Amino acid sequence: DTGVSQDPRHKITKRGQNVTFRCDPISEHNRLYWYRQTLGQGPEFLTYFQNEAQLEKSRLLSDRFSAERPKGSFSTLEIQRTEQGDSAMYLCASSLGVGQETQYFGPGTRLLVL
Amino acid sequence: DQQVKQNSPSLSVQEGRISILNCDYTNSMFDYFLWYKKYPAEGPTFLISISSIKDKNEDGRFTVFLNKSAKHLSLHIVPSQPGDSAVYFCAASWVRDFGGNKLVFGAGTILRVKS
Repeated sequence: DTGVSQDPRHKITKRGQNVTFRCDPISEHNRLYWYRQTLGQGPEFLTYFQNEAQLEKSRLLSDRFSAERPKGSFSTLEIQRTEQGDSAMYLCASSLGVGQETQYFGPGTRLLVL
Repeated sequence: DQQVKQNSPSLSVQEGRISILNCDYTNSMFDYFLWYKKYPAEGPTFLISISSIKDKNEDGRFTVFLNKSAKHLSLHIVPSQPGDSAVYFCAASWVRDFGGNKLVFGAGTILRVKS
């Protein structure tokens, strides 16, 4: 299967701890997106990479959040000093990188902050 | 502000009948619209999309209709099957000058297909 993969699938952590999630996009895809989904809501955009460049960040992405895509392939999303409000599903999506296009999502990482 | 709205939280349909899911948007910049299907504990799965230059797109049992003047789109599933039971999300985007098209999602509609 060559779809988008995310690791870990589930993460339980205590408030104040740091967590890091990884996303591996579809191999030929240049664009990579992070979204967050809370219960009863649709996914909300967090940030976007074109190759290794982070080109857009949502105001939802506080200074405790940082994302990287160092070689234009996989990406990591780190949350420092987690809070209970960070509990959500974190979704990664990738797309080819041409105009209007479809984004393909990974299975997500479910984060629970106790 | 909620730029994409799915006003029906849930819909129940008999197997074999048509399912119609609706979506409204407010931002005139949107020029690409997508429907995703989501099962619990999984990521959204792409179903079908439509560009603003079209008013209809069909793929098997799924058809999406776009009414730009009303800023409204709908997804028709015919015939509905029990395996279609899931949460359906409408999403919209436009391409930025620097590239990329972040998706703006509705809150979703839970579809239940009864056998």
